[in-house]
Amino acid sequence: AQTVTQSQPEMSVQEAETVTLSCTYDTSENNYYLFWYKQPPSRQMILVIRQEAYKQQNATENRFSVNFQKAAKSFSLKISDSQLGDTAMYFCAFMKAYSQGAQKLVFGQGTRLTINP
Amino acid sequence: KAGVTQTPRYLIKTRGQQVTLSCSPISGHRSVSWYQQTPGQGLQFLFEYFSETQRNKGNFPGRFSGRQFSNSRSEMNVSTLELGDSALYLCASSLGPAEHYEQYFGPGTRLTVT
Repeated sequence: AQTVTQSQPEMSVQEAETVTLSCTYDTSENNYYLFWYKQPPSRQMILVIRQEAYKQQNATENRFSVNFQKAAKSFSLKISDSQLGDTAMYFCAFMKAYSQGAQKLVFGQGTRLTINP
Repeated sequence: KAGVTQTPRYLIKTRGQQVTLSCSPISGHRSVSWYQQTPGQGLQFLFEYFSETQRNKGNFPGRFSGRQFSNSRSEMNVSTLELGDSALYLCASSLGPAEHYEQYFGPGTRLTVT
């Protein structure tokens, strides 16, 4: 079974700073996907960024980028120029690539990120 | 394009009752997944449906069941409710084929069991 670990329960930074959220996972699979989701106080889960395990290049989406280290099973999220609207719970998630397309996200426990003005 | 919708948004039930939650996926999406979110257990996968067939199932008791209709809308049912079933139930949809795996979530249904 796959497990996802987020070792930082809470983080707090000043607006405009850069922050990095950590995530490690455990799997014996070779083909899988990794995600970061954001859950603001509204509870709406929002997809921030995704990474395919077969791609060596780290994914980037505007101010959000990841550092994917497959051998170390590490998948950290970097938020640059943080904004007040980035305040949320952030979840790291793993999905095995089933050959028939079945889908199942395995989530970490989350990191509560607060951006201070 | 409209997002994933879930109804109702809030629900209060009594222990022993049953409940049905509904999820309408993004137009064109054929896969619907359900997750339970609680403070103690975090986010846990319940099941996933694709083209009316359950494709994957989590580790929940048989009191939790689901189904998907031909229009891809999905329902989940919890029978004989227990206090521990109080949670936020999230539905997510995706296009469905293996290469289209990104899941988009609805706002959730907050279930309180008293």
